[in-house]
Amino acid sequence: DAGITQSPRHKVTETGTPVTLRCHQTENHRYMYWYRQDPGHGLRLIHYSYGVKDTDKGEVSDGYSVSRSKTEDFLLTLESATSSQTSVYFCAISEWASGGTDTQYFGPGTRLTVL
Amino acid sequence: TQLLEQSPQFLSIQEGENLTVYCNSSSVFSSLQWYRQEPGEGPVLLVTVVTGGEVKKLKRLTFQFGDARKDSSLHITAAQPGDTGLYLCARRGGLPSNTGKLIFGQGTTLQVKP
Repeated sequence: DAGITQSPRHKVTETGTPVTLRCHQTENHRYMYWYRQDPGHGLRLIHYSYGVKDTDKGEVSDGYSVSRSKTEDFLLTLESATSSQTSVYFCAISEWASGGTDTQYFGPGTRLTVL
Repeated sequence: TQLLEQSPQFLSIQEGENLTVYCNSSSVFSSLQWYRQEPGEGPVLLVTVVTGGEVKKLKRLTFQFGDARKDSSLHITAAQPGDTGLYLCARRGGLPSNTGKLIFGQGTTLQVKP
């Protein structure tokens, strides 16, 4: 357990509404990630952060934005939710070992349904 | 896109049987990770393989990295109902290479019946 929490855990919203998902970590890790998981696709990276106010796009970033104003919080925003964004969203952190390899720890996920 | 292809996508077996899950790519990768995910939870790292030809064992699970570092396999001996879950392989994703970004395969759903 790397001290990662996600909120909310479940959310149902309507098309066109803004949605913000929160990821919170307690162990001061530098790297944080947002993935989405859909049947038949495994997990796909949306955005990631390598420090406060330092973020970059992943492979499926369209329609999503992120912010990281504090080390412990990484927010994912859907400015105008669409049904194609119905998914399970996972936050993760990287814990780096002395040999340069890292282990990613994942949060419990947020199930988002866009009607 | 540096795709990872996992096979099979679904596997339903009886307790005590052996099974192998495969993860393949058309390109060489520096390392590969295997994760296991249970329903309602996030993936949990099982192992990282780095060297071509490397074999790692984790109790009844055996992980192998291909000599050419384009493929990997996960073999489970005498599967138990507790092995039920989604198994995912993942590789480092693009540049910069030190950011920890991962590209995942589509996953193999394993069901082990008592």
